[in-house]
Amino acid sequence: QKEVEQNSGPLSVPEGAIASLNCTYSDRGSQSFFWYRQYSGKSPELIMSIYSNGDKEDGRFTAQLNKASQYVSLLIRDSQPSDSATYLCAVMTYKYIFGTGTRLKVLA
Amino acid sequence: ETGVTQSPTHLIKTRGQQVTLRCSSQSGHNTVSWYQQALGQGPQFIFQYYREEENGRGNFPPRFSGLQFPNYSSELNVNALELDDSALYLCATIRQGAPSFGSGTRLTVV
Repeated sequence: QKEVEQNSGPLSVPEGAIASLNCTYSDRGSQSFFWYRQYSGKSPELIMSIYSNGDKEDGRFTAQLNKASQYVSLLIRDSQPSDSATYLCAVMTYKYIFGTGTRLKVLA
Repeated sequence: ETGVTQSPTHLIKTRGQQVTLRCSSQSGHNTVSWYQQALGQGPQFIFQYYREEENGRGNFPPRFSGLQFPNYSSELNVNALELDDSALYLCATIRQGAPSFGSGTRLTVV
């Protein structure tokens, strides 16, 4: 079992729709969770962090954490073509562990 | 702006050669870590330095080594390059509790 798992996609959504990205992790002791966006040929940039169960909203982004189910998700409302990128989930245990990323395509 | 600068941006090396990648960060960032991101994969932790001492290492062989200097700059050295070492190498400091990456060095081993 991979430590952090994501569906590689691509996930295609129409412009204006909600994109839902999911991530599961294996270490129950994990305390910190992050979402990064990575455009093709660029380095990852942090867009959200979440530390406690529930939802955390920042503009069009909402991160959701369920530690009992070992599940983290990212919702992007009103998706725009500029949101097309790979989204990486990361989990902090004794080190930062990244998933392989989900490629999101927002269709104009 | 992450405050992390890496050089060079691109590099081509031959199998068996050695390479040094460089990273500089703004003062105050006394923790630096290095990651390898192969095509289609997420970043994988190589090692971390805190105040010039290595204080964490991922599953990478000893031919991956590093240094951190008093001016907060850092180096990643890779000896005896293999084709599978071709990847984007990322240097990161910690901001807001999470890795904040430089723009990376794209290494191609031929």
